[in-house]
Formats: sequence, C-alpha cells, structure tokens
Amino acid sequence: GENVEQHPSTLSVQEGDSAVIKCTYSDSASNYFPWYKQELGKGPQLIIDIRSNVGEKKDQRIAVTLNKTAKHFSLHITETQPEDSAVYFCAATGGSYIPTFGRGTSLIVHP
Amino acid sequence: GAGVSQSPSNKVTEKGKDVELRCDPISGHTALYWYRQSLGQGLEFLIYFQGNSAPDKSGLPSDRFSAERTGGSVSTLTIQRTQQEDSAVYLCASSSSGGSQPQHFGDGTRLSIL
Repeated sequence: GENVEQHPSTLSVQEGDSAVIKCTYSDSASNYFPWYKQELGKGPQLIIDIRSNVGEKKDQRIAVTLNKTAKHFSLHITETQPEDSAVYFCAATGGSYIPTFGRGTSLIVHP
Repeated sequence: GAGVSQSPSNKVTEKGKDVELRCDPISGHTALYWYRQSLGQGLEFLIYFQGNSAPDKSGLPSDRFSAERTGGSVSTLTIQRTQQEDSAVYLCASSSSGGSQPQHFGDGTRLSIL
C-alpha cells in the first residue's frame, strides 16, 4: 500500500518568513495530492491540491510543487502570518479510493 | 448548512457503555469516510463508504466498532463496550465521488471514556 512521509513534524518561523513542508510517497500510481490545514478544535480543511499532470500550482501565498520522478511534493507558504499557525497534513491518493495521510506538521508563526 | 455535520460534538461516557456517533455528509456526496485522531496525532483511517456499501472496513480496530450508512446519506459509527483507549476525536469526511477528489471534513466528535 501507499506510504506517505511528512517532514518536519514541527516548524517554527517568524512572521513574514517563508515555510516549506515536504512529503514523499511510495506508490507510483498515486495521482492526487491534497494539503489540509487543521486549526485547534476543528476538522482539517483543504487549502490546495495538485494532480499528477501538473508540476506546480499557486493560490496567493500558498503553492504546491510535485516531482513525480522523485515521488515528492511540497507546500510553500510565503509571507507567513500568525493566522497560518496550525497543523498541516499532506495526503496521496492513487489506485485505492482511500487517501494516505502524512503524520502532520505543526506550524508556529511568531509575531 | 453546506458542510459536513457531526453530532454530538462532545461525548463523555463510562467504560463499558455503547456510543453512537453521527455524520451528515454534504448533500450529493457519494463517498464517506470515518477517521480517528488521538491527541496530537495524525488521521487513522477507519472505514470508507461508497453509497451505502462499505468496500473497505480494513481500518476498524476491533469487532467492537461498526458503521452503517443509510439512504446514501447519514452514517453512524457505533462503538460497543467502550474502553479508555477509544478516547479520541472521531472525524467524518465526505467527497463527491471518492478517490481523487477533495475531502470535506466535519469538526469531529470528541469522545472521552472515563
């Protein structure tokens, strides 16, 4: 089955800095890679996703890149703000209808 | 309400009791998923429904756990004879067709077993 590794587990940055979270996956059949943001006491919410026919996607301060050959994808947040503080999860979905999630990254943005 | 709704939001019960957790998915979403999240941990897959069928129950941790979905809509997760290790947040998500589609999560039920 699919295996998704996510790093780092904790990321601490100053407001205005950039943050990068990386994930690797094992199943070459995976073709959909969403990122979710989970705030305290809430369920995860989709913030951006990418499909395997695209190498990069941007939405304002958030971008995701995908390297199919190396089987890794990354989340980039620029000009971080305190409200970006949350836990971020990557996921990979392929032949199975069940997404495999990474273990999460706790992002802390210091004002 | 356009989002996924879960009830109750919090449940405290004594060890050995049965509990039922409810999930109302987004209208028209055929795929529904249950996950368990322990404090500060990731998402543990429990079960997946496509319509009323559960093609994948592989994540249910024991035979004390069961789930059903009726009318292709509401789903109920039942835990019998609860144990303290069942304490966690139970999250439900739905998507339009499963697979390579975004999941929409509810805010979960926080279950505490005394």
